[in-house]
Amino acid sequence: DGGITQSPKYLFRKEGQNVTLSCEQNLNHDAMYWYRQDPGQGLRLIYYSQIVNDFQKGDIAEGYSVSREKKESFPLTVTSAQKNPTAFYLCASSIGGTEPYEQYFGPGTRLTVT
Amino acid sequence: AQSVAQPEDQVNVAEGNPLTVKCTYSVSGNPYLFWYVQYPNRGLQFLLKYITGDNLVKGSYGFEAEFNKSQTSFHLKKPSALVSDSALYFCAVSGGYSSASKIIFGSGTRLSIRP
Repeated sequence: DGGITQSPKYLFRKEGQNVTLSCEQNLNHDAMYWYRQDPGQGLRLIYYSQIVNDFQKGDIAEGYSVSREKKESFPLTVTSAQKNPTAFYLCASSIGGTEPYEQYFGPGTRLTVT
Repeated sequence: AQSVAQPEDQVNVAEGNPLTVKCTYSVSGNPYLFWYVQYPNRGLQFLLKYITGDNLVKGSYGFEAEFNKSQTSFHLKKPSALVSDSALYFCAVSGGYSSASKIIFGSGTRLSIRP
């Protein structure tokens, strides 16, 4: 099956701990994205990557970090510097390039930090 | 700067009736417009997009959207609603080449179809 996988589905962490969310795609897409979803606020872009070994900050990058060492993988680390990390995190991918092709989303990871 | 607005937090429709979910946008240059649907605790699913050409775009599950340049709108429509259409719907916009592949999402509209 082609698609995007995110793991785990639910994640619980104590305040002050870093946590890494996994995102893998086998669609051969160049571009990958991380969004945060909070109730009533839609999706906000955290980081995106248009090619391996390159990534850019989105609108709310503070307290987050990413890497793109492989085309298929785009893990997101939520650091202890993120003030309000509890949220639903969505990973997406698209063909990429200069045109905004539609994005395909993973099932999401719900992170709860207490 | 590009932006997108979904003026209704919730839309309620009876099954079998037509439905409309509203979206307006603001971009510099030609817009690229998208609709996505999200079911509870799931990722977003792509429904349809407008890039250029015919103002009426047909998509998945019987949905369609009408691009209106003068009103800067891209409303989602369906002639006959199903209970299974109940979900959260997101409109999204990109300003095309000037912003590469970045897409801005609206805040979402919850569609509720009553039997």
